[in-house]
Order: sequence, then C-alpha cells, then structure tokens
Amino acid sequence: DIVLTQSPDNLSLSPGESATLSCRASQSVSSAYLGWYQQKPGQAPRLLIYGASRRATGIPDRFSGSGSGTDFTLSISRLEPEDSALYYCQQYISSPYTFGQGTKLEI
Amino acid sequence: QVHLVQSGAELKKPGSSVKVSCKASGDYHTVTWVRQAPGQGLEWMGGLIPVFGTTNYAQRFQGRVTISTDESTNTAYMDLRSLRSEDTAIYFCATSGTETYPFPGHWGQGTLVTVSS
Repeated sequence: DIVLTQSPDNLSLSPGESATLSCRASQSVSSAYLGWYQQKPGQAPRLLIYGASRRATGIPDRFSGSGSGTDFTLSISRLEPEDSALYYCQQYISSPYTFGQGTKLEI
Repeated sequence: QVHLVQSGAELKKPGSSVKVSCKASGDYHTVTWVRQAPGQGLEWMGGLIPVFGTTNYAQRFQGRVTISTDESTNTAYMDLRSLRSEDTAIYFCATSGTETYPFPGHWGQGTLVTVSS
C-alpha cells in the first residue's frame, strides 16, 4: 500500500498569514492522481484540489496545490478563521486509495 | 450538482451485518465509500463504476463488504458483514463525475454505525 505522510500534524497561524501543508508519498504518485480534502468538525470531507493542482468547483483561489513524484503541497494564502479544519491528501494511483493522516489547521 | 442523502444511524451487534444506503439526486460516474472511526482519519473502503459494473475493494475489507447500486432508484448501497467493534465509525458515500474523476466531489452526510453488544 502507498503510505501518505502529512506534515505538520498541527499548524496554528493567524488570519491573513499563509499556510503550507505537505504530503509525502512512499512511492511515486502521478500528479493526476493526488487530491486534497478539507473536513470541518461534524461535516463530510470537501474536495479542494484534484490532479495535484486543479481546484474543485467553488474553491477559492486562495487554495492552491502543487508537487510531483512523492512530494505534494497544499498552500492556503490570506488565511481566514473559516479555514480552521483538518486537511487530508489522497492518492488514486494504486488501490487501496489511501489517505494521509491529516493536518489540523487552526486559525 | 449531485446531492447525496444517506440512511440513518445504526446500532448493531458483533457478528451481524449492516447495509447503508445513499440516494443520489443526479447522475454520477463512480461511487465510493469511506469510513472514519471516532477521532480518526479517513479510510477508503471501496468503489463502484455503475456503467461498467466494476467494483474495487480495499484488501482489508475483501469478503466482508459489497458495494452495489440500484439504477431504478439512483441509490447506492454498502453492505458490511461480520461486524466487530472496530467497525464502529461514520460511513460516507461519495460520488465523482467526469470532471474530477476519480476524486469524489460530492459527499453524503455520513451514517454512524455503532457495533456493540
């Protein structure tokens, strides 16, 4: 199974700052098959980024994704209090389509 | 925009089975089931592409889970058998269209399944 390791586990920032969340894969993942989700307490996950860098419908351009191979990044600029959530990466290159353990972002 | 509505919470005894439903308001390309144990992360269980009738399950659930759809009612199902306490979790259905395929862009509200004697 492909293991996705996210870092940091926790991140505390102030409104207006920028966040950089990392997702490292145990083996190479095609960029087309790496995505990011946001999950707030008591809610279902929401797809933010697919194909490593493509924003899903309705996602603000403050959210951006990048990376290739084994290293991927979710960047969030101009942080707002509503960005407080858990963020997960997921790979779809090899079944089982594993998730990272999550990064908790607190604003 | 696809809206997914899942069935209600379930309380089950160890060794029994549970079948969670997920009714979709629109068309989709794939349906996926993901679960989340209390205080834990997300776990992909399996998926189905209805137009091809193909399923793909995580190895750890092989033989215990069946994902299916009823096209007449546009409803997907996840059947999990031989339940144990470790299966206590919120179960989410999610669908993808051709735009974000294979990533699911629409999610149900989740169904809490509690396994306890």
